[in-house]
Amino acid sequence: GAGVSQSPSNKVTEKGKDVELRCDPISGHTALYWYRQSLGQGLEFLIYFQGNSAPDKSGLPSDRFSAERTGGSVSTLTIQRTQQEDSAVYLCASSSQTSQPQHFGDGTRLSIL
Amino acid sequence: GENVEQHPSTLSVQEGDSAVIKCTYSDSASNYFPWYKQELGKGPQLIIDIRSNVGEKKDQRIAVTLNKTAKHFSLHITETQPEDSAVYFCAATKTSYDKVIFGPGTSLSVIP
Repeated sequence: GAGVSQSPSNKVTEKGKDVELRCDPISGHTALYWYRQSLGQGLEFLIYFQGNSAPDKSGLPSDRFSAERTGGSVSTLTIQRTQQEDSAVYLCASSSQTSQPQHFGDGTRLSIL
Repeated sequence: GENVEQHPSTLSVQEGDSAVIKCTYSDSASNYFPWYKQELGKGPQLIIDIRSNVGEKKDQRIAVTLNKTAKHFSLHITETQPEDSAVYFCAATKTSYDKVIFGPGTSLSVIP
């Protein structure tokens, strides 16, 4: 399909391991967003990309979190030395530009044992 | 920075009744207000949006109103159906701003 694709859909890992989450945005969308959603909670903004650059990294919870985007397309969110409090759904969205509708993927459900 | 509040946090209505969700925003420069519906296990989906140059927009059973003076905007769902049951998020942003600020969400239950 032509929507935002995230992988894996589910990830279970042990505390202390590193994880990498992937987002394929809609083709041509220059803006890409990462959010975190804890069980029953709202959307916590993590980071935003315009093209390959990230003007706003203010939402990253700690230095264990990082993200990159290459070629203006695919983005990866990396969490190092995972902790149990990192367990959540990580959502990616893309839009043609800011102030345009965001299209969300179905998220990666991350569980830290 | 922008802050978006949303009420109620939970809403239960009988099938066929109307549902209203209200949001307020703090930044008077905000000019784009989307609404998203999130079903269990899915990502949020845009259902309707409104820009600051209009006061109301309607799409079948869904309507959104905007009061720029009061910095309020609301979602109205008429003739509710069980498939309307979901979590609804309002949001606000402004042109040339990087971040879309979401409200905390409203869990809507439509009772058959």
